Amino acid sequence: AQSVTQPDIHITVSEGASLELRCNYSYGATPYLFWYVQSPGQGLQLLLKYFSGDTLVQGIKGFEAEFKRSQSSFNLRKPSVHWSDAAEYFCAVAPTDSWGKLQFGAGTQVVVTP
Amino acid sequence: AAGVIQSPRHLIKEKRETATLKCYPIPRHDTVYWYQQGPGQDPQFLISFYEKMQSDKGSIPDRFSAQQFSDYHSELNMSSLELGDSALYFCASSEAGTTTSEQFFGPGTRLTVL
Repeated sequence: AQSVTQPDIHITVSEGASLELRCNYSYGATPYLFWYVQSPGQGLQLLLKYFSGDTLVQGIKGFEAEFKRSQSSFNLRKPSVHWSDAAEYFCAVAPTDSWGKLQFGAGTQVVVTP
Repeated sequence: AAGVIQSPRHLIKEKRETATLKCYPIPRHDTVYWYQQGPGQDPQFLISFYEKMQSDKGSIPDRFSAQQFSDYHSELNMSSLELGDSALYFCASSEAGTTTSEQFFGPGTRLTVL
């Protein structure tokens, strides 16, 4: 069965420290890959996406993600977090023949401490 | 920049009542998606429309129906509401025809069923 796994439900990080959020997927073929961020009571904002090409993808707000086909992973990173990065982060995938139908992971809640 | 508009933002209904949620996509976007996010859950794809035709279907209950109108806005109709329908309902829109089309999410409608 197709699935998206975010192993970390909750991560606490100090402001200024680096952040890495994990995402693994199980699909028949490499799907399209996305990272979204959701602030409390807000909609989902796209941070970055991977369709093909360079496996290191740059996004908004200083985020980047690396696609590793051999590990079926698409981990999100930020070198130095800001208090405003506290939010819930969702990894999402979509099959290449129906890419509008996003399947989300369970999400990772990020807490930023002073 | 114009964003996806959803109305109402909050809705309280009793069990067995009906509810209609509305979504107004970004101008020139011709594709609309509906997602349901239960408390503490990841968003689940319900249904999508392209050029007023249903383009994909997910885990949408038979009690729910949706359509897209000539001006591309969409309505999600929910009947015989159950307590479990309490959730945040997101609408997203995109411009079809490009392989890298991004889904832009609205702020969501929070439905509470009492």
